[in-house]
Amino acid sequence: EPEVTQTPSHQVTQMGQEVILRCVPISNHLYFYWYRQILGQKVEFLVSFYNNEISEKSEIFDDQFSVERPDGSNFTLKIRSTKLEDSAMYFCASSYTPDRAEKLFFGSGTQLSVL
Amino acid sequence: GQQLNQSPQSMFIQEGEDVSMNCTSSSIFNTWLWYKQEPGEGPVLLIALYKAGELTSNGRLTAQFGITRKDSFLNISASIPSDVGIYFCAGHRARSQGNLIFGKGTKLSVKP
Repeated sequence: EPEVTQTPSHQVTQMGQEVILRCVPISNHLYFYWYRQILGQKVEFLVSFYNNEISEKSEIFDDQFSVERPDGSNFTLKIRSTKLEDSAMYFCASSYTPDRAEKLFFGSGTQLSVL
Repeated sequence: GQQLNQSPQSMFIQEGEDVSMNCTSSSIFNTWLWYKQEPGEGPVLLIALYKAGELTSNGRLTAQFGITRKDSFLNISASIPSDVGIYFCAGHRARSQGNLIFGKGTKLSVKP
């Protein structure tokens, strides 16, 4: 069964450093998302991406965040200057269409720890 | 921001018991979804509901979309140890680009 894959599974970084989280969405999917989950809390939407541009973003997704689809298979989330409060599990997701929410498939996540 | 109130926060039950959990919202959703999350994994979709009043089953799981479109419940019948995990409800609005609003989760523990 096709799946969303994320690398690395764990990332440790120093405050102020840039990090790039990588995702390979399901191959025929057209819509890509990033969510995050702070330890013990709910899953929160960050951003959706379609046709090489952001289609929706949350208040969390401020200027220090950016997303990119650098080639035909990868989808990345960059955090320019990490803060302690960026420590969380970051989930990538993809779907063929955004208006059938049941088709949102999540990856296993990247656990980001900012020290 | 928009909030979903999910209850209970946690449940400790005996194997074989039935489980019920629910979510309420102050605003309307067009789709209600229920996910299960196990440690170190992403959310996995269990059931999706698209119409007010809809009742849908997936094996021992049954979920309903409330007629006001502001609530949903999930029932698990005859629980087994592998049901252990955190169950999240999520709501989705029409014209929203995959922006799911998640509840805070119900942590289920099943004693064999």
